[in-house]
Amino acid sequence: GAVVSQHPSRVICKSGTSVKIECRSLDFQATTMFWYRQFPKQSLMLMATSNEGSKATYEQGVEKDKFLINHASLTLSTLTVTSAHPEDSSFYICSARLEPYGYTFGSGTRLTVV
Amino acid sequence: AQSVSQHNHHVILSEAASLELGCNYSYGGTVNLFWYVQYPGQHLQLLLKYFSGDPLVKGIKGFEAEFIKSKFSFNLRKPSVQWSDTAEYFCAVNSPSGNTPLVFGKGTRLSVIA
Repeated sequence: GAVVSQHPSRVICKSGTSVKIECRSLDFQATTMFWYRQFPKQSLMLMATSNEGSKATYEQGVEKDKFLINHASLTLSTLTVTSAHPEDSSFYICSARLEPYGYTFGSGTRLTVV
Repeated sequence: AQSVSQHNHHVILSEAASLELGCNYSYGGTVNLFWYVQYPGQHLQLLLKYFSGDPLVKGIKGFEAEFIKSKFSFNLRKPSVQWSDTAEYFCAVNSPSGNTPLVFGKGTRLSVIA
């Protein structure tokens, strides 16, 4: 089946540094990738939608200069958390839509900012 | 805008008990409905989905859900739970048209005790 590979699975970084999270579609082309954030004991909140070759669309309240999304190819989308702070610590998940109606998810990245 | 409500935050059941998790959505148009499960430390897995047709949908691991359009509900059921069903369960909805993301409920944590 269609698989999205997400890396890293866990990352610890110092406050003020940047972290890049990658999501690769392994056996299909992902025109669109959705990025979610999940706080402990809470639901997945959509952060942004990235489309190959164009600018990402961010949800209200999500800082686009802080969460940089790049979707340069049909198989790779990246989320960079810039100048990370402890409040950015969270679980980040990418998802791609599968035709006609399904979705596939990455395994998630747990980011801890110290 | 779409929204999803899951009534129960945490459900605790004994093994062999019956399960019903509530899910209501808010959207005036046609929707696709999903239930996902997230086992501890793992990524989201699809339990079942409804697109059209028979409103009673059977999924994996003995789960089923019933779409009741008049009540905007899509409750998840299982006649007899097992310890291995301990996990977080998410109801989600999307619009069939366009490349739209899933909108998730806040999730219900199920704890099954021996």
